[in-house]
Amino acid sequence: DAKTTQPPSMDCAEGRAANLPCNHSTISGNEYVYWYRQIHSQGPQYIIHGLKNNETNEMASLIITEDRKSSTLILPHATLRDTAVYYCIVSATGTASKLTFGTGTRLQVTL
Amino acid sequence: DTGVSQDPRHKITKRGQNVTFRCDPISEHNRLYWYRQTLGQGPEFLTYFQNEAQLEKSRLLSDRFSAERPKGSFSTLEIQRTEQGDSAMYLCASGRGQGANVLTFGAGSRLTVL
Repeated sequence: DAKTTQPPSMDCAEGRAANLPCNHSTISGNEYVYWYRQIHSQGPQYIIHGLKNNETNEMASLIITEDRKSSTLILPHATLRDTAVYYCIVSATGTASKLTFGTGTRLQVTL
Repeated sequence: DTGVSQDPRHKITKRGQNVTFRCDPISEHNRLYWYRQTLGQGPEFLTYFQNEAQLEKSRLLSDRFSAERPKGSFSTLEIQRTEQGDSAMYLCASGRGQGANVLTFGAGSRLTVL
């Protein structure tokens, strides 16, 4: 699976959009981009995933560049409860696939 | 959907003792994963089951570690002759089908080896 690069930490004011970047320049054609987050003392939580089109769900939006070498997770109106470590993972699908986590981005949402 | 349950949530043991963790996945999920997480690091893959078959094991899983998933339902992770370096959070996750890696994680079992 391709490796990803994320900033170690970011801050965001409550109510503002949080834009979390991820570089995955070695992504293969069959690899998806997944985002998970981990709130302190909990297991990781799935947020969203995509292949090449932009995706939106009730939690977030995922913007993938046309060359698929980078992506941005957008939390449109961050709240204090969004304070967590956010992991960007690229992975192929299929029976033998697994998620390989890096160290992620620690997002701190402040008042 | 009752989520993924892990037991115990916390375990303190002395070096050299054996410990066993249990994971109950979401009932209709056929895929089950074990991960290990140490402070400040992301989760590290340990092993993966498709139904009752163990399809992949990480090099991190030494011969002191064994995982089972009898009948393709709950799973156990046993660590024999624990070492201080085994202190970590052990996470279980489950997923459905053979496609997307949309996994549901449990809250984890925290192991402290004294």
